[in-house]
Amino acid sequence: DQQVKQNSPSLSVQEGRISILNCDYTNSMFDYFLWYKKYPAEGPTFLISISSIKDKNEDGRFTVFLNKSAKHLSLHIVPSQPGDSAVYFCAASAGQFYFGTGTSLTVIP
Amino acid sequence: GAVVSQHPSRVICKSGTSVKIECRSLDFQATTMFWYRQFPKQSLMLMATSNEGSKATYEQGVEKDKFLINHASLTLSTLTVTSAHPEDSSFYICSARQYREPQYFGPGTRLTVT
Repeated sequence: DQQVKQNSPSLSVQEGRISILNCDYTNSMFDYFLWYKKYPAEGPTFLISISSIKDKNEDGRFTVFLNKSAKHLSLHIVPSQPGDSAVYFCAASAGQFYFGTGTSLTVIP
Repeated sequence: GAVVSQHPSRVICKSGTSVKIECRSLDFQATTMFWYRQFPKQSLMLMATSNEGSKATYEQGVEKDKFLINHASLTLSTLTVTSAHPEDSSFYICSARQYREPQYFGPGTRLTVT
C-alpha cells in the first residue's frame, strides 16, 4: 500500500510563474518530509526538507508547506525556471523513508 | 552537500555473469545505505537497506541470493548482481545517510545485460 502519494504524474508551468507540487501521505507517524529532484539518468538530489514541528520551510525559490491535519505536503517553486524541469519526488520518514511516485515538472520558456 | 559516488557509471555484461556495483560516501560516514532500482517512467523501487556491519534487509519480492549486498564499512556498500539476465538491465541507484540526516543519492549505474 502506497503510504506516500503524488497524484499528479505531470505538471506544466510557464516560466516565471509558480509551480506547486503536491504530496499526500497516510501514516500519521511520519515526522520528517523531504523533496528530491531528479533529472533523467541521474540520481535524485536532495532539495528541501521539513520536520513535523514546522508547517513551512523556505530555501530560496523553494518553499515546502506541511499540513499535518490534512496529511498533505506541497512544494512551491517561484519563480519557475526552465532548469527546474525534472521529476520531483516527495518522501516521508518515521525511520525508514517512503517515496512518492514522482511528478514530472516541465517549465515552458 | 554530502557526496555519494557510484562505480561504474555504466556496465555491460553477458547473461550469466555477475557484476558488482560500488557505492561510496565520500565525505561522511554512512550508517545506512539503500539500494534502489529505477524502472522506466516509474518511481524508485527500494531493493534493500543495509546498516554497517549488519546483514541487509531486503524488500518483498527482491531475491537476496541474486542481489548480494555488502555494507563492509561506513563509507562503502556493494551490490552484486549474480547470474545476470537481460531482465536485470536497469538503472541502479544507491543512497547513503548518517543516522536520520537526509539520504544523499549516488549518480546511478546503468546496467545492460546482453
